[in-house]
Amino acid sequence: NAGVTQTPKFQVLKTGQSMTLQCAQDMNHEYMSWYRQDPGMGLRLIHYSVGAGITDQGEVPNGYNVSRSTTEDFPLRLLSAAPSQTSVYFCASRLQGARNEQFFGPGTRLTVL
Amino acid sequence: KNQVEQSPQSLIILEGKNCTLQCNYTVSPFSNLRWYKQDTGRGPVSLTIMTFSENTKSNGRYTATLDADTKQSSLHITASQLSDSASYICVVGESGAGSYQLTFGKGTKLSVIP
Repeated sequence: NAGVTQTPKFQVLKTGQSMTLQCAQDMNHEYMSWYRQDPGMGLRLIHYSVGAGITDQGEVPNGYNVSRSTTEDFPLRLLSAAPSQTSVYFCASRLQGARNEQFFGPGTRLTVL
Repeated sequence: KNQVEQSPQSLIILEGKNCTLQCNYTVSPFSNLRWYKQDTGRGPVSLTIMTFSENTKSNGRYTATLDADTKQSSLHITASQLSDSASYICVVGESGAGSYQLTFGKGTKLSVIP
């Protein structure tokens, strides 16, 4: 199993550009989520999904869109990048059940100029 | 508001020594408490998950304790190694809510030096 994979690993954007961060998992996990990690702060939830076709907002959803057309994939879209979105983004997945272990991807470091 | 506070913010110890990291939380109702290890430039990796009824859990040289009455947890690292240098994140889950009600601490950055 590859676990949770994310692409790209690094990305630089200009303000106003759009892009999609890719996330995939091969563990047949129902739950997937996106977090951002900023210096001096804990990980913050952006969006999450409890299964294909179902998504919901987390703590900091503004400026981001998600969709979940398959169990495996959960892309995060930035429609019009802003410098405030400069961060490290982590995708995570786990089986149904709040006490199951959550697996994180390696992260995407995004810089918006 | 649910909060998870970790201390110290950073810690430097000599290789071979033991150390203890602290986590205090105000999350309610409590479901579970997790400790993660995050190496620089990588995603967090789970070390332990404890529920209300568990007051200690080990994973190799890592031992987590939980006091649900005082809402405190600690992570004890025994005989530290250079590879233990990382950030350690305490995460508390909220029961009864949506499955994504996890509150993350800011982490303790541990440096193990020779």
